[in-house]
Amino acid sequence: QKEVEQNSGPLSVPEGAIASLNCTYSDRGSQSFFWYRQYSGKSPELIMSIYSNGDKEDGRFTAQLNKASQYVSLLIRDSQPSDSATYLCAVMDRDDKIIFGKGTRLHILP
Amino acid sequence: DVKVTQSSRYLVKRTGEKVFLECVQDMDHENMFWYRQDPGLGLRLIYFSYDVKMKEKGDIPEGYSVSREKKERFSLILESASTNQTSMYLCASSLSWQGGHYGYTFGSGTRLTVV
Repeated sequence: QKEVEQNSGPLSVPEGAIASLNCTYSDRGSQSFFWYRQYSGKSPELIMSIYSNGDKEDGRFTAQLNKASQYVSLLIRDSQPSDSATYLCAVMDRDDKIIFGKGTRLHILP
Repeated sequence: DVKVTQSSRYLVKRTGEKVFLECVQDMDHENMFWYRQDPGLGLRLIYFSYDVKMKEKGDIPEGYSVSREKKERFSLILESASTNQTSMYLCASSLSWQGGHYGYTFGSGTRLTVV
C-alpha cells in the first residue's frame, strides 16, 4: 500500500517565524511532488510543485525534496495569520496516480 | 487561470435517490478525477479518467459510477444515495507529460448530505 505520511498537527508557529512542514512517502519510484493549502470549508489549492532533488523557492515558500530519504518538506518564511490552514502533501507514484497525505494543520499565532 | 466548476456547492438528497454531480473544466485538461473528503480520512479517490469515454476505478468506487462523454465534463453518479455517502465531493483536473505531472486544479467542492 503506497502511503504519504504527514504529522496531523496542529503545528503552532508565532507570526513572523518559519513554519516547517514535513512529509514522507513510500514509493521510491515517485516522480512529482506537490504541496496544497486548504482553508477550512474550501477546496485544496496548489501552492508548490517540485520534481528534482534540492530546494525550490517561490516567494515566502520553499519546497525541499530528498528522494534518497523519500522526504519532502515545505518551509513558510515570515509566517502570517493568513497562512493558518491545512497543508496537504501529494506525491505522484510510478503508476501516475497522485496520493495525498491527510494533511498538517498549521496555526499561526498572532 | 484554469477553472474547474462544480455545479452545486451544497446538495441535500434523500436515501435511495439517484444523484448526479457535474464537473466542467475549461483548459482542455485530459485528466479528470473525483475525490471525497471526510474528516480523519483525507482525500480518497473514487474514479478518474485520462481521456474521453475512458474511466478507471479509484480506491473507493463502490456505490458510484462516472461518465465522460466530452473532454471538459466529468460526471459522478450516486446510483442509490445512502447516508454513508454524506461527504464533501471534490472534482479535479490536470495535465501530465511523460514521466511527470503538473498537479491538480480542484473545483470548489460539493457538500452532499444524504438524509
